[in-house]
Amino acid sequence: EAQVTQNPRYLITVTGKKLTVTCSQNMNHEYMSWYRQDPGLGLRQIYYSMNVEVTDKGDVPEGYKVSRKEKRNFPLILESPSPNQTSLYFCASSSALDRDRNQPQHFGDGTRLSIL
Amino acid sequence: GEDVEQSLFLSVREGDSSVINCTYTDSSSTYLYWYKQEPGAGLQLLTYIFSNMDMKQDQRLTVLLNKKDKHLSLRIADTQTGDSAIYFCAEKDNYKLTFGKGTLLTVNP
Repeated sequence: EAQVTQNPRYLITVTGKKLTVTCSQNMNHEYMSWYRQDPGLGLRQIYYSMNVEVTDKGDVPEGYKVSRKEKRNFPLILESPSPNQTSLYFCASSSALDRDRNQPQHFGDGTRLSIL
Repeated sequence: GEDVEQSLFLSVREGDSSVINCTYTDSSSTYLYWYKQEPGAGLQLLTYIFSNMDMKQDQRLTVLLNKKDKHLSLRIADTQTGDSAIYFCAEKDNYKLTFGKGTLLTVNP
């Protein structure tokens, strides 16, 4: 079954304690992306990756890092989390091939982070 | 930059039709999407339309696209209580999705 898997689904932690949210997809997709969802603001893109070792900033990258060492994985790293990063996070993936341009992005089930 | 606007709230009676509207600014958008998010859940793709189409129908869902006015709408016929959710409009340019803030649809029995 085609899936985007995020872990953990829920996390409560404290300010300054480094954390990583993992994202893995089994569809051999080139494109992967992280979004955060906040009430009244919709989903905003944090970082994206067009392929292995190719990453770029989205609209709200401050305070986040990503890496793309393997095609299937795209972890989101918060080196020093702060309360304003309390949010619902979604990972997504899609093919970057021209023939798949009409294919939508596949989303994970979300990770709810609370930073105290 | 890209911008997608939606009204934040819509309330309808069960059995009525719901129409959720969306406007976007990026004229190079290739695809436009509607996602549904139920409370505490992830994003579910409802339907999408290619930018050279005017209309797409899928069972109770009808998507209308006015490319000249950059206006997209989602009509849900015979709205049910199970349709209560947040609905997001999103435009796709190359690979990037830009989302609206979401419309909270409340269906009253």
